[in-house]
Amino acid sequence: DVKVTQSSRYLVKRTGEKVFLECVQDMDHENMFWYRQDPGLGLRLIYFSYDVKMKEKGDIPEGYSVSREKKERFSLILESASTNQTSMYLCASSLLEGAYGYTFGSGTRLTVV
Amino acid sequence: GQQVMQIPQYQHVQEGEDFTTYCNSSTTLSNIQWYKQRPGGHPVFLIQLVKSGEVKKQKRLTFQFGEAKKNSSLHITATQTTDVGTYFCAGRDNFNKFYFGSGTKLNVKP
Repeated sequence: DVKVTQSSRYLVKRTGEKVFLECVQDMDHENMFWYRQDPGLGLRLIYFSYDVKMKEKGDIPEGYSVSREKKERFSLILESASTNQTSMYLCASSLLEGAYGYTFGSGTRLTVV
Repeated sequence: GQQVMQIPQYQHVQEGEDFTTYCNSSTTLSNIQWYKQRPGGHPVFLIQLVKSGEVKKQKRLTFQFGEAKKNSSLHITATQTTDVGTYFCAGRDNFNKFYFGSGTKLNVKP
């Protein structure tokens, strides 16, 4: 069964901490994405990557960075966590043309206190 | 900028009733995808529509893509409690970027 695996299901961090969210896919997908999901706001794209070492800003990149050193792994970094970054974070991957849709991970619910 | 608007935000139906959610884009889309997210789960890809006026069916689910490729709908016939969840559309623009609608949360009363 193909998978996108996110390293943590729940995470609690303190304001100002540097936070790493890890995502690994085993489908050899070119594209990887990070979204955050908040009630009433739907899914908002933070960053995406079409290839190793390549990254592009999504709609809400402020306060985040990403790293893609290997094709299967896409990391989201919160440089200095703030309470407004408390959210559900979803990683997704897809084939280059996206014809078969995105495969999402189970999500990481991050709480910043 | 590009937006994909989805309505309604919530829908409560009695089991056996039909349900429809609508997506509208401000610009022409190259394709549109639909996803379902069960409570506590993550979005799962259902289908992609590409052609103008395209209609696809998956059992009790009917998906339509408008003639102008700016709107789409998902219709569920005779809802069941297993249909509970949030349904998202995601439209791809001509620059290859996907925009998710805000979702329609469906609740089905047995």
